[in-house]
Amino acid sequence: AQSVTQLGSHVSVSEGALVLLRCNYSSSVPPYLFWYVQYPNQGLQLLLKYTSAATLVKGINGFEAEFKKSETSFHLTKPSAHMSDAAEYFCAVTPGTYKYIFGTGTRLKVLA
Amino acid sequence: SQTIHQWPATLVQPVGSPLSLECTVEGTSNPNLYWYRQAAGRGLQLLFYSVGIGQISSEVPQNLSASRPQDRQFILSSKKLLLSDSGFYLCAWSDGGGGETQYFGPGTRLLVL
Repeated sequence: AQSVTQLGSHVSVSEGALVLLRCNYSSSVPPYLFWYVQYPNQGLQLLLKYTSAATLVKGINGFEAEFKKSETSFHLTKPSAHMSDAAEYFCAVTPGTYKYIFGTGTRLKVLA
Repeated sequence: SQTIHQWPATLVQPVGSPLSLECTVEGTSNPNLYWYRQAAGRGLQLLFYSVGIGQISSEVPQNLSASRPQDRQFILSSKKLLLSDSGFYLCAWSDGGGGETQYFGPGTRLLVL
């Protein structure tokens, strides 16, 4: 069975600082992994997707994530936080079926 | 390009009243369609998914039902709303089920009083 754990329901960083949002997954088969961002009262927007083509995945808005099979992790990073990055971020996993398993989300706050 | 619409954006309904939320997708054909409910601090819960007209699979037995009367239309319904039905409802589509990206609509905020 697949599962996703996002460590830290709330993360605060200063503007210009490194953003690190953690995601660990469990999957019995090679997974597809996703990061989505959600702004208040909006739907989810895809940031990036891992499909086994490359372990380092670059996404939109300067975000990237690295797939580490040995650590079963897919952490999201951005070198320099911007105020507009304040949002909720969701990690998701699917074994290659219709069914996605979403984490409970991490709310990112960017301090001026 | 593909777009996905949901309406209404916000809805306040009394307990025991019926519900109908609509989702439509443009710019693609025969999409997989999904309904999710999002509760604060609990991530997204898949409610229903559909791979074609009239084909609905339910993930969680509950007070809700879904229908797909047309290829790009997905409807979430209830005959009698419960307080626990309050939440943020998201519709999504994908080109297939093999790890394809799901694209989300803007959502409907439902408050049951």
